[in-house]
Amino acid sequence: AQKVTQAQTEISVVEKEDVTLDCVYETRDTTYYLFWYKQPPSGELVFLIRRNSFDEQNEISGRYSWNFQKSTSSFNFTITASQVVDSAVYFCALSPLYRGSTLGRLYFGKGTQLTVWP
Amino acid sequence: ETGVTQSPTHLIKTRGQQVTLRCSSQSGHNTVSWYQQALGQGPQFIFQYYREEENGRGNFPPRFSGLQFPNYSSELNVNALELDDSALYLCASSLFGQDSNQPQHFGDGTRLSIL
Repeated sequence: AQKVTQAQTEISVVEKEDVTLDCVYETRDTTYYLFWYKQPPSGELVFLIRRNSFDEQNEISGRYSWNFQKSTSSFNFTITASQVVDSAVYFCALSPLYRGSTLGRLYFGKGTQLTVWP
Repeated sequence: ETGVTQSPTHLIKTRGQQVTLRCSSQSGHNTVSWYQQALGQGPQFIFQYYREEENGRGNFPPRFSGLQFPNYSSELNVNALELDDSALYLCASSLFGQDSNQPQHFGDGTRLSIL
């Protein structure tokens, strides 16, 4: 069974603050992908990052960084110097990577609503 | 490159009616997945179509059905609509093949309201 938990339902910060969104997952599969998606009020899910379960190297992309720790089954997302445009719902998701599975089926957490105030 | 497009944007139906939602996949993609997102929840997988056949299904009843066409576009059909079917329906497309396993790209969704 696959499960993704995002314990933070809502987070509010003031512009320029750093913020970390937590994601904990459960899976019995040894190979899988982890994702973060952003959902602005328009509804579209915007792909941010995908990590392979074999690659625990942290990644930085501009103001965004991701910390993948297999030992704690966590894949946390940090926004540095947050901006008002970062306000959105952020989803963490898991996709098993074994043959025979539905191709790339995503299991989502419930999301974290991030509000950045000016 | 054209992204994933869904139609209509919004739809209002009454209980017991039937609805068809449409999705055009991103150029070059061959797989379409449908998700249901209830208010305040994460998207839930409905089913996936690959090479015009259903390739996996989530925990949804048979009144949820779909099609994929030769141009890889897709339809989601829901019969005997219930109040709990009110949700945002998201379509995602991706390219799967022997050497590729690309992330899914989502459309803006269709917001379905059942009265």
